[in-house]
Amino acid sequence: GQNIDQPTEMTATEGAIVQINCTYQTSGFNGLFWYQQHAGEAPTFLSYNVLDGLEEKGRFSSFLSRSKGYSYLLLKELQMKDSASYLCAATDSNYQLIWGAGTKLIIKP
Amino acid sequence: GAVVSQHPSWVICKSGTSVKIECRSLDFQATTMFWYRQFPKQSLMLMATSNEGSKATYEQGVEKDKFLINHASLTLSTLTVTSAHPEDSSFYICSARGSSDYNEQFFGPGTRLTVL
Repeated sequence: GQNIDQPTEMTATEGAIVQINCTYQTSGFNGLFWYQQHAGEAPTFLSYNVLDGLEEKGRFSSFLSRSKGYSYLLLKELQMKDSASYLCAATDSNYQLIWGAGTKLIIKP
Repeated sequence: GAVVSQHPSWVICKSGTSVKIECRSLDFQATTMFWYRQFPKQSLMLMATSNEGSKATYEQGVEKDKFLINHASLTLSTLTVTSAHPEDSSFYICSARGSSDYNEQFFGPGTRLTVL
């Protein structure tokens, strides 16, 4: 079956770095997305990886290893506004998004 | 960037009534639109996928006669919750995908439905 695993909740300190991991098993693979979702709002796009390696975009970076079925989202210089849920979603052979349950990130001062 | 709007942003209705939610892609043509439902503290659950001009494909467990989807144009899809009941209360989110090769879905702001 198709499955996405990511931690349910993580806590980090303002100004620090946090890495949110995601493992996936899909029928075929056409890329992996990371979305940020604040409570009561729709998800917003953070990153897309289809090739192995690290993609850096400001304070956020995303890594993909296709052979390991593994990705991570790295957030640097954490700010209080980064408190949100982070959703990992893999695209299968039909270009359908398979969603993880999301990781709730709590930032403490 | 691509913008997707949803209307209404929230709705409260009595049990047994029908509610229509509109999803529009404002600055691009959406060949495919998706409807999701999200219960509190849970992840997105895909309800159905619709391609312009054809019938929607519903996910297992989603009643197509209860959740009517119409994707009549490349910029508009509607979801009608028929005979809504309190258990249908949820956050409904649409997303739209254009014809680019990277498959990104652009999300609408969501509609909070409360059925009394």
